[in-house]
Amino acid sequence: QLVLTQSPSASASLGASVKLTCTLSSGHSSYAIAWHQQQPEKGPRYLMKLNSDGSHSKGDGIPDRFSGSSSGAERYLTISSLQSEDEADYYCQTWGTGSWVFGGGTKLTVL
Amino acid sequence: EVQLVESGGVVVQPGGSLRLSCAASGFTFDDYAMHWVRQAPGKGLEWVSLISWDGGSTYYADSVKGRFTISRDNSKNSLYLQMNSLRAEDTALYYCAKDKGGNTYIDYWGQGTLVTVSS
Repeated sequence: QLVLTQSPSASASLGASVKLTCTLSSGHSSYAIAWHQQQPEKGPRYLMKLNSDGSHSKGDGIPDRFSGSSSGAERYLTISSLQSEDEADYYCQTWGTGSWVFGGGTKLTVL
Repeated sequence: EVQLVESGGVVVQPGGSLRLSCAASGFTFDDYAMHWVRQAPGKGLEWVSLISWDGGSTYYADSVKGRFTISRDNSKNSLYLQMNSLRAEDTALYYCAKDKGGNTYIDYWGQGTLVTVSS
């Protein structure tokens, strides 16, 4: 079964960097994912597609501070030079044959 | 600029029906599959349904299969979600979303329309 696992919460200081993790279920380590950001009281926004080799393609207007990387079944979203507006929920999403799945989301707090 | 504008969300009684609409602009609508995604109050995102670019293929989450029907009218650049036999657990913000291509991932989102199922 295709499942994405995310830590419920993360925190980092203003100006620092943070690395969020999304883990693919067993047998699905080659799958690509997409990262989405949801700021408080707003609709989600697509950030990037992230492949198993770490290559990624970002959405329109996404700052260079956002980057992605991969290792095995883990997919990472790194945000550098954290700003207050980065405080948001971050979701990973993947797809299989006839199924589309979201992770449970990580709530990022900027201290 | 891609724009997705949902409408149709209201308060409805359990067992009732509702039709959501999504007006799309800023891209060639009939080139892309489209998704519905929902978010219950205080919860995460849940994928609901996808329809292929031509409407020929549709897919549903198990939680809505047999009760919801996704459709599209490419002549009107519009996406729909017919929701029947509504339950309290269907209460959520419903988002219309554009597929990047090839029935894969979402690259644009609407702002959502709220459906409340309550007596």
